[in-house]
Amino acid sequence: GAGVSQSPSNKVTEKGKDVELRCDPISGHTALYWYRQSLGQGLEFLIYFQGNSAPDKSGLPSDRFSAERTGGSVSTLTIQRTQQEDSAVYLCASSLLVGTNEQFFGPGTRLTVL
Amino acid sequence: DAKTTQPTSMDCAEGRAANLPCNHSTISGNEYVYWYRQIHSQGPQYIIHGLKNNETNEMASLIITEDRKSSTLILPHATLRDTAVYYCIVRVEGSGNTGKLIFGQGTTLQVKP
Repeated sequence: GAGVSQSPSNKVTEKGKDVELRCDPISGHTALYWYRQSLGQGLEFLIYFQGNSAPDKSGLPSDRFSAERTGGSVSTLTIQRTQQEDSAVYLCASSLLVGTNEQFFGPGTRLTVL
Repeated sequence: DAKTTQPTSMDCAEGRAANLPCNHSTISGNEYVYWYRQIHSQGPQYIIHGLKNNETNEMASLIITEDRKSSTLILPHATLRDTAVYYCIVRVEGSGNTGKLIFGQGTTLQVKP
């Protein structure tokens, strides 16, 4: 694929339900990041993966949020017992190596919690 | 990572140069200045970065003051497609740094015909 892809593009769920958001990074990119952007807010870092190293989870807002990256490629962000304040656009980015210049962002998943 | 300050919004006439300022008065010696932009309903896009020398690529030029406390992103011939939110970010590079980006509110650039 040419770029980072995310699915679904839109997700509407009811409060209290669990959701899974998927990110397919650019092939060969070792670093993967999740950010979120709430309405009228800037982008907020959530979590970072680099190879087999322990992820940097410092940005996760609560223990309802978790993420996995299987086989060093695809990543899934899971939000359990969703709340209305979880409504946001969730963006995934990847870069060739950790700390390198350019992060390539996907189009995002727009999550709406009713 | 150092905090940056940008104007909330700016206008620019199509075809003219757009000069977007950024203040980063607390920047450390090992912190780089990065610029990203976000066009409506899209993910952010990398534009350019630099440490202390001025930089130019096919998208833009980055001018960093000698004391490194501020910088200016220049889009030499703005088009309507350059309308976006522009983010100035400073961060450390190198081993041990996760590379996470700390976004501020950015500058909304409106290019007008």
